[in-house]
Amino acid sequence: QVQLVQSGAEVKKPGASVKVSCKASGYTFTTYYMHWVRQAPGQGLEWMAVINPSGGSTTYAQKFQGRVTMTRDTSTSTVYVELSSLRSEDTAVYYCAREVGSFDIWGQGTMVTVSS
Amino acid sequence: QAGLTQPPSVSKGLRQTATLTCTGDSDNVANQGAAWLQQHQGHPPKLLSYRNNNRPSGISERFSASRSGNTASLTITGLQPEDEADYYCSAWDSSLSAWVFGGGTKLTVL
Repeated sequence: QVQLVQSGAEVKKPGASVKVSCKASGYTFTTYYMHWVRQAPGQGLEWMAVINPSGGSTTYAQKFQGRVTMTRDTSTSTVYVELSSLRSEDTAVYYCAREVGSFDIWGQGTMVTVSS
Repeated sequence: QAGLTQPPSVSKGLRQTATLTCTGDSDNVANQGAAWLQQHQGHPPKLLSYRNNNRPSGISERFSASRSGNTASLTITGLQPEDEADYYCSAWDSSLSAWVFGGGTKLTVL
């Protein structure tokens, strides 16, 4: 079955970087765009970035420009998001999501906690 | 960046019908269509419909979506206890070149 499996929870200090992975299975990885969406505790959904797994081209939300990098490894069907210069406001659950029409398949989420 | 506007909460009785709204503008909902997602506490979101009223496989016909101008709507008929959740709309914004979300509506089934 189609699924996205994300890496485990992270705890980081302010100013550090974090890299979260999302491994896809059950379909042809290069066929569909992949996104990262985050959700701060008790808050709504916030779109961060998208990648075309076929060519590797990316688009980032303006809010994260300069701090976020999304990459993919076609050999392992995995996408990554790296967020740098972390601050407390980056504490959130980070989700990867496949795009078929909209966000049709979601990973289980990765909790990233930024705390000194 | 600008997002879509949803009412924070809606309450309806068991077996009643709830209609949730999502207001955007000509750069997103009106021209690109909207999608609806359901999220239960502690779980990832689940896609209910996309491009206004296309339902993914396995989604109940009790969920139907529509659009009129800048406003998208999700209608849930025959409300069940398991429908109590947060509902988000989303759309591609061609002006921002970004996906935008509504703030979410918490649906309470009384």
